[in-house]
Amino acid sequence: GAVVSQHPSWVICKSGTSVKIECRSLDFQATTMFWYRQFPKQSLMLMATSNEGSKATYEQGVEKDKFLINHASLTLSTLTVTSAHPEDSSFYICSAGPPGLAETQYFGPGTRLLVL
Amino acid sequence: AQRVTQPEKLLSVFKGAPVELKCNYSYSGSPELFWYVQYSRQRLQLLLRHISRESIKGFTADLNKGETSFHLKKPFAQEEDSAMYYCAPLNSGGSNYKLTFGKGTLLTVNP
Repeated sequence: GAVVSQHPSWVICKSGTSVKIECRSLDFQATTMFWYRQFPKQSLMLMATSNEGSKATYEQGVEKDKFLINHASLTLSTLTVTSAHPEDSSFYICSAGPPGLAETQYFGPGTRLLVL
Repeated sequence: AQRVTQPEKLLSVFKGAPVELKCNYSYSGSPELFWYVQYSRQRLQLLLRHISRESIKGFTADLNKGETSFHLKKPFAQEEDSAMYYCAPLNSGGSNYKLTFGKGTLLTVNP
């Protein structure tokens, strides 16, 4: 089956620094990937749609300059949390769908970010 | 925009009992709906989608357009079914698809 990986699985950083999270589709190409944020015991909130070779589409209320998304290849999308603050601490999850089945999303294991 | 409501935040049943996790949606057009499951310490995974009309792990879900519902059912719950369940409609716009997740229902199956 389709596999999506994320790296790192967890990260701790100081306030004011930037953190990059990678999302990879391991055995398929994905022109579109999605980034979600999940707070403890809450649902997933879609942050943005990452499009290969073009700009990401952000959901309402998500700061583009805060959460930089780059989809440089058909198997890699990166989310960079810039100038991180404690309120950015959360669980970040990516997903991707195989070609022809883009509506069926496979999820990464998530990255837990803790900003001190 | 497509919206989904999962009215039960928590649902607890005993092993062997029937279980129904509710999901109601509001839409325009033909909806496409999914159920995703997240077991403890595991990633979110697809459980089933309504267009396939299949049964996965004993679970079924029927799309009821009259009631705008997509409830997930299993006749005999098992302890390993304990997990977080999310109902998710598919929003499609142009060439992009995106899922909107309900708030989820935490199912606990007691021995």
